[in-house]
Amino acid sequence: KQEVTQIPAALSVPEGENLVLNCSFTDSAIYNLQWFRQDPGKGLTSLLLIQSSQREQTSGRLNASLDKSSGRSTLYIAASQPGDSATYLCAVSNAGGTSYGKLTFGQGTILTVHP
Amino acid sequence: EAQVTQNPRYLITVTGKKLTVTCSQNMNHEYMSWYRQDPGLGLRQIYYSMNVEVTDKGDVPEGYKVSRKEKRNFPLILESPSPNQTSLYFCASSPGTRSYNEQFFGPGTRLTVL
Repeated sequence: KQEVTQIPAALSVPEGENLVLNCSFTDSAIYNLQWFRQDPGKGLTSLLLIQSSQREQTSGRLNASLDKSSGRSTLYIAASQPGDSATYLCAVSNAGGTSYGKLTFGQGTILTVHP
Repeated sequence: EAQVTQNPRYLITVTGKKLTVTCSQNMNHEYMSWYRQDPGLGLRQIYYSMNVEVTDKGDVPEGYKVSRKEKRNFPLILESPSPNQTSLYFCASSPGTRSYNEQFFGPGTRLTVL
């Protein structure tokens, strides 16, 4: 059974700092890994999708890497801003099995960027 | 604007009173699914649908029903809600049925069952 773990559970940083969020998964047989952002009272916003054959994806100040063999992904946020404050969720889509398209989520990292 | 919409966004109801949470997407996506999010348990899949008239159970289907009569809509039905179904519910959709497709989520429905 796939399990996804995110570390740290919470992170508080001053504005402008570069930071790294970590995600690990127990079963390396995945199709892809997706990073989401969740704001209070709002839905999940997809930030980056990394296919299993890819090593990294970039979007603006965000960079996500994937090491499938070791079951790890990192989300790097450069020059953090208060508007980056949110919960960040990592989710993997498993290869095989019968539950097509199911995402297995981590518990999330609550990020606070203070001015 | 391409989006997944859910209604209602907030709902307080009582035990046993049937309710439906609607989900609609305007992206012509084949795949749709429902998740619930609970503190300490994260997001768990309830049901999914690979296309019209094709639905299947996820990890926590007990107490829920779904239907997929049209491609764009995927309502979640609670025939007899109980307090343990108090949760934050998300609908999601994806372009195809392949597990490598990106998934898009709705804004969520916060349900309280008294």
